[in-house]
Amino acid sequence: KAGVTQTPRYLIKTRGQQVTLSCSPISGHRSVSWYQQTPGQGLQFLFEYFSETQRNKGNFPGRFSGRQFSNSRSEMNVSTLELGDSALYLCASSLRDRDREPLHFGNGTRLTVT
Amino acid sequence: KNQVEQSPQSLIILEGKNCTLQCNYTVSPFSNLRWYKQDTGRGPVSLTIMTFSENTKSNGRYTATLDADTKQSSLHITASQLSDSASYICVVRGGFQKLVFGTGTRLLVSP
Repeated sequence: KAGVTQTPRYLIKTRGQQVTLSCSPISGHRSVSWYQQTPGQGLQFLFEYFSETQRNKGNFPGRFSGRQFSNSRSEMNVSTLELGDSALYLCASSLRDRDREPLHFGNGTRLTVT
Repeated sequence: KNQVEQSPQSLIILEGKNCTLQCNYTVSPFSNLRWYKQDTGRGPVSLTIMTFSENTKSNGRYTATLDADTKQSSLHITASQLSDSASYICVVRGGFQKLVFGTGTRLLVSP
């Protein structure tokens, strides 16, 4: 079974631009969540989707948005990029919207903002 | 404030030795506590998930303990191998299904 796939793997953008990251969950998984990982802050929760509905949102500005499609694939968008948005963005999927389900992470998209 | 603190920040041990990583949390209400292993350049991989009623859970050479009264957890690695070199992240799921992450312990197993 294929794991969680994130594309692209690396991305370099300029301050002020916008970026879209993509995540394909494990087949059959309907819950997708996104995280930002930086050396100083560690992993921080961005948002979570289940069956195309946003279920939870972290404490990030409105420049960060996401969506989930009917096939459970998800995209994350960051507008008006800032230098501080440079990070590893991780996507995770789980089988159901259940509390005890383990998260299956992709290997992330490393975004560098110059 | 909901927080998860891990110690030590980093650790170097010799191959074959045991080690214990600590996780203290102030997340309330508490739903479950998870340990993840993250190799360099890769996403985290789940090791264990423990609820309030579970004191110990093992996954091969990894054994996690939970003391919900003191809000402490530990991850014990037995007979360490070079492949255990990674970051270990403690995560607590609290109210409204929010996840609170620790900043991790970076473990280096030296030959």
